This record gives sequence, C-alpha cells and structure tokens, in this order.
Amino acid sequence: EVQLLESGGGLVQPGGSLRLSCVASGFSFSSYAMSWARQAPGKGLEWVAGISDSGGITYYGDSVKGRFTMSRDNSKNTVFLEMESLRAGDTALYYCARISRRRSGYVYLYYGMDVWGQGTTVTVSS
Amino acid sequence: AIQLTQSPSSLSASVGDRVTITCRARQGISNALAWYQQKPGKAPKLLIYDASTLETGVPSRFSGSRSGTDFTLTIGSLQPEDFATYYCQQFNNYPYTFGQGTKLEIK
Repeated sequence: EVQLLESGGGLVQPGGSLRLSCVASGFSFSSYAMSWARQAPGKGLEWVAGISDSGGITYYGDSVKGRFTMSRDNSKNTVFLEMESLRAGDTALYYCARISRRRSGYVYLYYGMDVWGQGTTVTVSS
Repeated sequence: AIQLTQSPSSLSASVGDRVTITCRARQGISNALAWYQQKPGKAPKLLIYDASTLETGVPSRFSGSRSGTDFTLTIGSLQPEDFATYYCQQFNNYPYTFGQGTKLEIK
C-alpha cells in the first residue's frame, strides 16, 4: 500500500524550532519529488516546500523562505522539514505529499500531489 | 507567486444538481492546474490534473476544462459524498500555489 506517515509535530514557543519527518512506503521513493503543504485551523491549503527526487533542488513558499528547510534521505525513504524562527502564523496541520510527474521530451512535468499523509499538527504558542 | 482566485467561495446545491467552480490564474499557466477534494478531517484527494485529465478512480461526473487563464471544475450530478471543499492548484511555476477553496454545501 502506498503510504506517507508524518511525525514530529507539537507545541513550540514563538521563535523556536521543530523538525518534521515523513516516511514513505509502497512506492519507489527516490523516483518522486515530494512536498509539504499546510492548513491553518479552519483555513485553506498553503503550499510550503518542495524537493526534487534526488534532493538537489528545493523550493519554498514566500511565507517560509529563509526559515524552513526541506531535505530528504532516500536511503530511509524519508523527507524532513526543518522549521526555525516559528511564529503564531505557522500554526497548522502539516501534510507531506508525493508529486506526480510525467516525461515530456527531455524534461519532467509535475502535475499533481497524488498521495498525501494524514498530517502532523504544529502549534506555535507561548 | 502566481495567484489563483476561486469562485464562488461557497456554494449551496442539492443532490442531482450540476455545479461549476471556477479558478482564475493571475497569469498564464498553460494547462498546469489540478483540482482537489477535501472532506472534514481528511487529507485532500487529487481529482483532476492537467486541467482536464481525470485521476484514476475518480467518478466520471467530475470534469475539468480551461479557457485561457480560467479553469472550471464541473460536477455533473451531485452525489451526497460530493459535499466537500474543493481547491485548485497550479504547477506551472514554483511555489505551487493553491486557490482559497470553495465549500460545497447541501441546500
């Protein structure tokens, strides 16, 4: 079964740090780009970060750029999200998701987040 | 970042109705748009990608289309399980922004 399982969420004070993990199973992990998205309580989805299949390229949403770092360990089928300088506005349910792709000539085109975990909750509060 | 604007923000409809949700991109994104369904307490589910391609296993009453920078999700005949919140997302450029969501409620 294709599955993603997030962990590492919790309560942290403003200015603090937290590291989220997402373990994948049931598919060839090293062949897929991965991403993190979040959802504040009662709000919509926000794309947070993405990482290429090799881990060599990362992208971030404007609200987290410079504070969050996404990485991966393909030997452990795991992606990480290192979060620093946390603010109340970072309080959310954080989802890990697989990004599907297809080949178009010599490049890959990414087209959807087709597998999602159940999320891990991060609360930033004093 | 590419801004996506969904309309309406909420919608009331009855079982059997045909409903349409629109997502407008602030700039051209080709066909690089996906639609998701999210039910309360659950992770989003991919419905449509490349603006109009149905994800495997998604009922054929769901369809998507594009006209320029306007994208449409249509549900042909609403079923009770379709009442949920729907999001669009663009994959043309990073960051892969989402629309703000459309909540579909039972009338």
